[in-house]
Amino acid sequence: EAGVAQSPRYKIIEKRQSVAFWCNPISGHATLYWYQQILGQGPKLLIQFQNNGVVDDSQLPKDRFSAERLKGVDSTLKIQPAKLEDSAVYLCASSLDGTSGGLTNTGELFFGEGSRLTVL
Amino acid sequence: DQQVKQNSPSLSVQEGRISILNCDYTNSMFDYFLWYKKYPAEGPTFLISISSIKDKNEDGRFTVFLNKSAKHLSLHIVPSQPGDSAVYFCAASAAGDMRFGAGTRLTVKP
Repeated sequence: EAGVAQSPRYKIIEKRQSVAFWCNPISGHATLYWYQQILGQGPKLLIQFQNNGVVDDSQLPKDRFSAERLKGVDSTLKIQPAKLEDSAVYLCASSLDGTSGGLTNTGELFFGEGSRLTVL
Repeated sequence: DQQVKQNSPSLSVQEGRISILNCDYTNSMFDYFLWYKKYPAEGPTFLISISSIKDKNEDGRFTVFLNKSAKHLSLHIVPSQPGDSAVYFCAASAAGDMRFGAGTRLTVKP
């Protein structure tokens, strides 16, 4: 079974530039998440999709971050314009069912390898 | 808001001994708890989980204990192996909203 695919693995940009990250979840997984992990901290949820609908984007800085999952499969996260504090690893994850916290299964999220962003 | 806290940023143990990683949470609505393991340059991978209706779950060398009254859970690894060296994240979920702790870096020395 193929895992969660993310690209690019690494990106270096200057502040005020824009960047986009792509994620392809595990086939059949309805729920897709974008997390931001700043060095020394745990992953922080940015946005959660159930199929192509947004379940939770309460922690997404909407003035500069946007995400879409148009066909309910792969997803794109965009930052425009980037700030120095956006330097982090952006992790995409998927699960079979996120709405119940996965109580009917293990509650497991499957993570991609992440996209490391450095903003100079 | 730090609803899930891992107060030890690092832990070092000798191969063959027990590793105990701790996690505290503040939100009593959390009903599912998970541990993830992360190697450098890789995404976190699921290790073990426990429902709030249980107080212990065991899977091979890994056991998770949950103390709801203290809002505390711990991960025990026995015996510890050098391959267990990684960052371990505690996570807690309430209605699909999953929060992560900051992680504990475990080093198992041969």
